[in-house]
This record gives sequence, C-alpha cells and structure tokens, in this order.
Amino acid sequence: DARVTQTPRHKVTEMGQEVTMRCQPILGHNTVFWYRQTMMQGLELLAYFRNRAPLDDSGMPKDRFSAEMPDATLATLKIQPSEPRDSAVYFCASGFSGTGNTIYFGEGSWLTVV
Amino acid sequence: RKEVEQDPGPFNVPEGATVAFNCTYSNSASQSFFWYRQDCRKEPKLLMSVYSSGNEDGRFTAQLNRASQYISLLIRDSKLSDSATYLCVVTVNTGGFKTIFGAGTRLFVKA
Repeated sequence: DARVTQTPRHKVTEMGQEVTMRCQPILGHNTVFWYRQTMMQGLELLAYFRNRAPLDDSGMPKDRFSAEMPDATLATLKIQPSEPRDSAVYFCASGFSGTGNTIYFGEGSWLTVV
Repeated sequence: RKEVEQDPGPFNVPEGATVAFNCTYSNSASQSFFWYRQDCRKEPKLLMSVYSSGNEDGRFTAQLNRASQYISLLIRDSKLSDSATYLCVVTVNTGGFKTIFGAGTRLFVKA
C-alpha cells in the first residue's frame, strides 16, 4: 500500500531546541501539506506545496517555523527555537491535483516541548 | 469567521440510530468537498466525497448545497464502530488545491 511516511513518530525535546520533522509523500503525488492539530485548534493548515513550490504558508508562524521540499520525495518542517506551545501532532498529507483533490495523511509526528 | 464550521458535538446516540452532521463553508469559490473520519490518536482518513447530486456509500449519505454553502453527512443504523470524529473538508483552487478542515464533530455510539 502506498502511504505517506513521517518521522519521527514521537519527539520530546526541551524548549529552545531545534526540531525537524520529515515527510515522504506518496510517490507521484505533486501536492504536499503540513497540518498541526491540537485539542483546542483542530487541524490547522500550516503550509502546502505544489510541484515542490510553496503556495501558501500563511498559517505558519514565520519567526520560528520553516517548511521546505528539497526534492519530490522529501518535505521538511523545522521549528527553531521550539516552545512549549508548539506541542501538538504535526501531520503531513499528500495528493495529486486533478484526481478529485483527495489527500492522504501520514500517521503524524507527536511533538512535546518541555 | 472560520472558513469551515461544524458543530463540535459531542453527539451521543444509541446503536441503530440515525444521526446527521452539518457543516458550512465561507468561500463560494470552493471546489471540492469531503468528509473525513478521525479515530482517537490516529490520522484523518477519507470517508467520502460530496457532490451536489448527493453521494451514498452504504449507511452513509453526503449532500452538498452550493447555494447555501452547506454540506451534510447522514449516518443510518449507527454502529459502535462509527464512534469517531467526523471532519468536514473543503478545497479551494489557489494554484494548487488548498485543503481546509473543519474542527470536527465528535460522535459516540452507545450499546
């Protein structure tokens, strides 16, 4: 089964440390999304890419967050420096524009900043 | 105002009941519409697409009203296994397809 793969699955880090989350989209998908989910906010769209180009990162705190796609098989989300309020589940999802716009999620990266 | 709004619930229903969820969206240029299901501590998964003509998949029926910017999901003969959070999803064409999720409606089906 083709699936979106995210690493790490779980991460506990100290405030001020850099955190990098990685995502391998489904092969052939040209659109990649990063979401953050907390109990209070639900699923927030942080950023998304089409053909590796960033289309919208308006949901992302710019001072500490950055998202990139170094190549078609890898998307990264970096937080530097991390803060306790960044504790959340970060989901990556991918899809292919033109096939009904359905997206498929990875299992998420569970981040705790202490 | 949120782009996609849902009643958070929770909805507590007995097995066998029929339950309906509603969702409204604010962008009239929205293109595609879906319902996703999310189990506790799991990733969201596609439940079904939503069309103006209506879409039925077994016990699940989804409907879109573009004029009212309103999406619905009906679950008939509820099962214990239907207990989950149901997420209303809308896409907007912004060069790609910006995919926006509602906060979800929590459903508990009781024996």
